[in-house]
Order: sequence, then C-alpha cells, then structure tokens
Amino acid sequence: DTGVSQDPRHKITKRGQNVTFRCDPISEHNRLYWYRQTLGQGPEFLTYFQNEAQLEKSRLLSDRFSAERPKGSFSTLEIQHTEQGDSAMYLCASRLQGGGSPLHFGNGTRLTVT
Amino acid sequence: ILNVEQSPQSLHVQEGDSTNFTCSFPSSNFYALHWYRWETAKSPEALFVMTLNGDEKKKGRISATLNTKEGYSYLYIKGSQPEDSATYLCAFTGASGTYKYIFGTGTRLKVLA
Repeated sequence: DTGVSQDPRHKITKRGQNVTFRCDPISEHNRLYWYRQTLGQGPEFLTYFQNEAQLEKSRLLSDRFSAERPKGSFSTLEIQHTEQGDSAMYLCASRLQGGGSPLHFGNGTRLTVT
Repeated sequence: ILNVEQSPQSLHVQEGDSTNFTCSFPSSNFYALHWYRWETAKSPEALFVMTLNGDEKKKGRISATLNTKEGYSYLYIKGSQPEDSATYLCAFTGASGTYKYIFGTGTRLKVLA
C-alpha cells in the first residue's frame, strides 16, 4: 500500500490559464473521488469514478472542469480558463469496492490563481 | 440538498482535558457515517466507519457513538494531547444509489500544552 499520490503539490497559475492535476490511487482501489476544499469548509464533492466510468459529477461544477480516468488507474482533473474562485485545495481519494469503505486521501494539490 | 453539520467549528483545550464534538446528518436514507482526522500538511486519515444505530467505536483515547434515528454522532477524545490537534471531519453516505461522501465543515481542535 503505497498510498494515494497527487501531483503537483502546489500550482500557481494566472487567471485564464488551463491546469491539469494527476492522481494515482491505491492500486487495488477501483473507486476514485475528487474533492475541493476551501478555507473554513469541508471537502466538497466534485466527481466520482468506478474503474474508468465517471458515475457522478457535482452540479456545482461548471463546464470548465473535466476529469478522466482512462484506464481505470490514474485520474486527471483539468480546469480550463481558471478563475480566482478556483483557488483551493484539490483532494483525490480512493477506496475499495463495498459500501461504506473508508476513503484514502492523497496530500492534495493546492491551486492558487492570480 | 443533504446537509452535514459539525459543531463546534473550533475549540482550544488544555492538555489532559477531555472533549467531544458533534456531527449532525440526515436521519433518513442512512448508510454510513465516517470520521476522519486531518492534521496540518498531511492527508485526511480515516478514524471510524459506523453503520449501525447505537454503534460505538474506539481507537485508543478516541471513541465515537452513532444515533441514526435522530441523525447525530459524537466523537470523544479522552485526556487530550498536543498531537491530537487537527481538524476532525465527519462524512455521511446515503443508501439511495449516490456514491458521494458528504463532508461537514469540520471541527478544528487545538490542544495547548
């Protein structure tokens, strides 16, 4: 169990630029989640994958956000035309199949949009 | 919209004090309630997964109880230590086919030496 890894740890970008984050889940976990966390708030659900299928996506997400998990292993989260309001910590988590199994989180990617 | 609320938002306690926090969640369509600890500069770490009404779980000095009928869970820390300083998050999962884990805003605990 090497844990969930996320890359990069920090990203500073200018408004209007596109950014992409990567998440490598624990290898035997087929469920993968993306969350966003801002100061003073709990993690906010963005999207969920079961293997390579994206099964749920938050209605809060605009069309500027897209996520993929092409081979059911690593996942990417892309934000196009970034805005200052996108500044946040982006967390990836994975879990085993089975209702109620705990999420295993990565260290997150902190995005700052200037 | 499903709401998960935690209280207090933050608290400071002295080393050796015992403390507890509350997580409130929808009492209908319940599947599981999770507690996580999130230390600064680390990733959130799972503490407990609770599924049955009346469940009590314990890990060292930390324990949790669950009341699904009224929609709340308590997390207790006995004899707080500075290393217990962290944000404690609860997350609710419902039974009706959604896969989301819905998090509360967390309780930020600072234990003063």
